[in-house]
Amino acid sequence: DTGVSQDPRHKITKRGQNVTFRCDPISEHNRLYWYRQTLGQGPEFLTYFQNEAQLEKSRLLSDRFSAERPKGSFSTLEIQRTEQGDSAMYLCAISFGRSEAFFGQGTRLTVV
Amino acid sequence: DQQVKQNSPSLSVQEGRISILNCDYTNSMFDYFLWYKKYPAEGPTFLISISSIKDKNEDGRFTVFLNKSAKHLSLHIVPSQPGDSAVYFCAVAGGGADGLTFGKGTHLIIQP
Repeated sequence: DTGVSQDPRHKITKRGQNVTFRCDPISEHNRLYWYRQTLGQGPEFLTYFQNEAQLEKSRLLSDRFSAERPKGSFSTLEIQRTEQGDSAMYLCAISFGRSEAFFGQGTRLTVV
Repeated sequence: DQQVKQNSPSLSVQEGRISILNCDYTNSMFDYFLWYKKYPAEGPTFLISISSIKDKNEDGRFTVFLNKSAKHLSLHIVPSQPGDSAVYFCAVAGGGADGLTFGKGTHLIIQP
């Protein structure tokens, strides 16, 4: 148990639909990250929050992606107008500093 | 442009022998190095890390070696056990980025 719960575990959606994923850290961690992993690749950094402030966004995070972390606790990642290229595992991770990050089990998105 | 390279997509090792996984990086500004283990359909699990001020860190059966001049790190697992069969990712921190940068992974297979 890494202390990070992600919901849903799997999501199948039609192209063009909007989807939202949720990440719940069990305890308070000031840093929360979102990563995306596609087949044959390692996780790729998308964005990160320090408390409720979104401090960095990767160029991978197009305008169709938005992330929030209200009150510095749970976080949501929304993808609007999904495309087939968005199919991936979306991973949430937490850390106390800039060292070890502890990942949730991920949300597997399939866009059909 | 890959900043973290794991050149062996897969590695097969006999149970009880030593497994050696390798990772090369390009940016000398990286200052923290980590190894993660991943089973299918799960998030990565943190294994072991090392700071750039050290050249070795050991935790039970796992040892990480860092060669800064060669920009190379390796993970040694000894003795290898069947439960070690998984994909192993090398990750680095620093270099001006807040998130971790991952390699593409090495699939370790432990044969009985």
